[in-house]
Amino acid sequence: QSVLTQPPSASGTPGQRVTISCSGSSSNIGSNYVYWYQQLPGTAPKLLIYRNNQRPSGVPDRFSGSKSGTSASLAISGLRSEDEADYYCAAWDDSLSGHWVFGGGTKLTVL
Amino acid sequence: QVQLVQSGAEVKKPGASVKVSCKASGYTFTSYYMHWVRQAPGQGLEWMGIINPSGGSTSYAQKFQGRVTMTRDTSTSTVYMELSSLRSEDTAVYYCARATDLDYWGQGTLVTVSS
Repeated sequence: QSVLTQPPSASGTPGQRVTISCSGSSSNIGSNYVYWYQQLPGTAPKLLIYRNNQRPSGVPDRFSGSKSGTSASLAISGLRSEDEADYYCAAWDDSLSGHWVFGGGTKLTVL
Repeated sequence: QVQLVQSGAEVKKPGASVKVSCKASGYTFTSYYMHWVRQAPGQGLEWMGIINPSGGSTSYAQKFQGRVTMTRDTSTSTVYMELSSLRSEDTAVYYCARATDLDYWGQGTLVTVSS
């Protein structure tokens, strides 16, 4: 049971816009930055969004992040076949002397 | 460029220990904490703990307290994660990832625990 809650799956057709939600609590998303990671099959996770809505260099602006209260979301516009991957949200949690928490992951399928 | 290169796959018997290494290059090793994260087959990401390569201080997830030890060697810019009393549920890919944002990840090390 993950501390952050994500839908297990999402899907869209090429060119569409999809969003993935991430729900937490006051001790994690409510008081700390949210991060998003993309994991392609058989590879290590890759940082996609940091500090709620910042994109590392090299990440297309089709990817955007937002946060409101104890929830966050990742939006992908102009969906492409290469976006098919697992997406994880994460945040620092202030409880139990502090620890990092992840969502359970969302498998994005491009139809 | 920043690189984190991990040691190779391991097969261990239940009850044994495993030590995974993560060699950093391309940045000042002591300037960034390092996380360890694991992923069981077909499962999500699970945070194990963090080490400060500068002073060696550590903080572990409650689940792994007493079984995990994270160390570092500043002379080789390498961090280590040792997990003891292995059981089948510890079969997973283990990753190191640079803090603060987990912006760079190692390639992962598969640890298989099987009798």
